[in-house]
Amino acid sequence: DAGITQSPRHKVTETGTPVTLRCHQTENHRYMYWYRQDPGHGLRLIHYSYGVKDTDKGEVSDGYSVSRSKTEDFLLTLESATSSQTSVYFCAISDFTGGTDTQYFGPGTRLTVL
Amino acid sequence: AQKITQTQPGMFVQEKEAVTLDCTYDTSDQSYGLFWYKQPSSGEMIFLIYQGSYDEQNATEGRYSLNFQKARKSANLVISASQLGDSAMYFCAMRGPREETSGSRLTFGEGTQLTVNP
Repeated sequence: DAGITQSPRHKVTETGTPVTLRCHQTENHRYMYWYRQDPGHGLRLIHYSYGVKDTDKGEVSDGYSVSRSKTEDFLLTLESATSSQTSVYFCAISDFTGGTDTQYFGPGTRLTVL
Repeated sequence: AQKITQTQPGMFVQEKEAVTLDCTYDTSDQSYGLFWYKQPSSGEMIFLIYQGSYDEQNATEGRYSLNFQKARKSANLVISASQLGDSAMYFCAMRGPREETSGSRLTFGEGTQLTVNP
């Protein structure tokens, strides 16, 4: 258990509204990631963070922004939600113990944009 | 660019039999890592096994083993003695070289849905 929580776990919103998803970790991991999962696409990286205030874009970053003001929290914001952003969002951390860099995932947030 | 291909959308296996889930990858990097994750119907992503590109032996974790064939760029997951609880979606993923400012970003395949029949 990598101590990762996501909130909310489910959200329904309307097109054009802002949405913020929160990822919280309790074990001081340096690297954090946001992925989205859609049928037929596996998981795709949206943004990632390599430290407080250090973030960068992933494969599908358009329409998303992130912030990391403290180690334990990584926020994903949809400034103006669209129906194409209906998806399941997973947060992950990198754990470098044991000589590998395994990513462990949070429980996911199911977002529906109407 | 990295690419993961899982060519089996669905697989069926009888309980107690072994099953192999295929994964091929494409990368120009010399240093990389390969992962398998399990996603049951409840939705969480569960890490199963890891193989580094420089590891000389195939990785094993309990009933899971990774058949790593570097020249063929394949990293198949073998599940021995299948159990009903193994029914799930399985994802192969890879990361490129570790970099200070990128950590271990993963590229995923589309997954294989495994069904274990009693």
